[in-house]
Amino acid sequence: QKEVEQNSGPLSVPEGAIASLNCTYSDRVSQSFFWYRQYSGKSPELIMSIYSNGDKEDGRFTAQLNKASQYVSLLIRDSQPSDSATYLCAALGGYQKVTFGTGTKLQVIP
Amino acid sequence: ETGVTQSPTHLIKTRGQQVTLRCSSQSGHNTVSWYQQALGQGPQFIFQYYREEENGRGNFPPRFSGLQFPNYSSELNVNALELDDSALYLCASSFGAEPNYGYTFGSGTRLTVV
Repeated sequence: QKEVEQNSGPLSVPEGAIASLNCTYSDRVSQSFFWYRQYSGKSPELIMSIYSNGDKEDGRFTAQLNKASQYVSLLIRDSQPSDSATYLCAALGGYQKVTFGTGTKLQVIP
Repeated sequence: ETGVTQSPTHLIKTRGQQVTLRCSSQSGHNTVSWYQQALGQGPQFIFQYYREEENGRGNFPPRFSGLQFPNYSSELNVNALELDDSALYLCASSFGAEPNYGYTFGSGTRLTVV
């Protein structure tokens, strides 16, 4: 079992729709969770962090965390073609190790 | 405020050779972590340096080693290069012993081993 699992996609949504990206993690020690966006050929860029159960909103982005289910999600409202990228879910576990998933490729269709 | 800078951008090496990659952390950050990202995969944790000491390591062999300098810049050294070492190497800077607030990544070094 991978420590952080994501559906590789691609996830295709029409422009203006809500994109929903999901992630599960196996290490119950993990307390901090992150979503990074990575454009093709570029390095990852932090877009959201979440530490407590529930929702956290930042502009068009909402991160959701459920520690009991070991589940993290990212919602992107009013998706734009510029949101097309790979979204990496990451969890901070023990020994300062941040584990990344393989990423979900999002395509926003104009 | 300066971001994270890595050098070189691209590198081609022969199997068995040694390579050194360099990273300057973001202003105000005192921790540097190194990641390996193969094509189509997520970044894999190599190790983290805090206050010039390695304080976390992933599942990489000892031929992957590093240093952190007093100005918080860092080097990643890989000895006895193998073909599977071909990847994007990412440097990530953060503040504090644990990266609780996430990373700022550099633009990466693309290493090709032939």
